[in-house]
Amino acid sequence: GENVEQHPSTLSVQEGDSAVIKCTYSDSASNYFPWYKQELGKRPQLIIDIRSNVGEKKDQRIAVTLNKTAKHFSLHITETQPEDSAVYFCAASMEGNNRLAFGKGNQVVVIP
Amino acid sequence: KAGVTQTPRYLIKTRGQQVTLSCSPISGHRSVSWYQQTPGQGLQFLFEYFSETQRNKGNFPGRFSGRQFSNSRSEMNVSTLELGDSALYLCASSFLGRTEAFFGQGTRLTVV
Repeated sequence: GENVEQHPSTLSVQEGDSAVIKCTYSDSASNYFPWYKQELGKRPQLIIDIRSNVGEKKDQRIAVTLNKTAKHFSLHITETQPEDSAVYFCAASMEGNNRLAFGKGNQVVVIP
Repeated sequence: KAGVTQTPRYLIKTRGQQVTLSCSPISGHRSVSWYQQTPGQGLQFLFEYFSETQRNKGNFPGRFSGRQFSNSRSEMNVSTLELGDSALYLCASSFLGRTEAFFGQGTRLTVV
C-alpha cells in the first residue's frame, strides 16, 4: 500500500518567516495530495490539496508543490503568524478512492 | 451546512468490553471513512463505507467493524477492547466522486 513520509517532525520559525514541510510518497498511482492542519484538541482541517495534473497551487499564504517524478510534495506557508502553529499532516490517495495514507505529521511552532 | 458530527466525544471502557461509535456525515455526503489517531502511529485508515457497503478496509483486526445506514450515518464497533485501542477515532465524509475528506471532532476512547 501507499507509504507517506513527512519531514521534519518539528519546525520552529520566527513570526513573519516562511515554513516548508516536505512529504514523499511511494505509490506512483497516487494522484491526490491533501494537507490537513490540526490544532490541539481539534479536528484535522483540510487547508489545501493538489492533484497530479498540476505542479503548484496557491491559496493566500499557503501553497503546495508537487514533483511527480521524484514523488514528493511540499507545503509552503509564507508570512507565518502565531495562529499557524499546529500539526500539519500530508496525505496521498487515488482520486475517488477515499482511503488516505497520512504522514506522521509536523509540529510547526511560530515564535512571536 | 452542518459539519461531520461524531458521538460520543469521550468514552472510557474496560478491557474486554465492546464499544460503538457514531458518525453523521455532512448532508449530501455518502462516503464515510474511519481513522484511528494515536501519538505513535499517527492517522491510520480503518475502513470506508459508501451506499451502505464497505469499499475499503485497512490493516486492522476483525475486532474492528463498521456499518452504514441508508441515511449515510455510520457506526464503528470495537469488540473485546484492548489497552492499545485507546485512541482518537475520527470519521471523515466525502461527496460522491470527490476525494476531499472533511473530519469530525472525533471520539476519544480510553481503555482501562
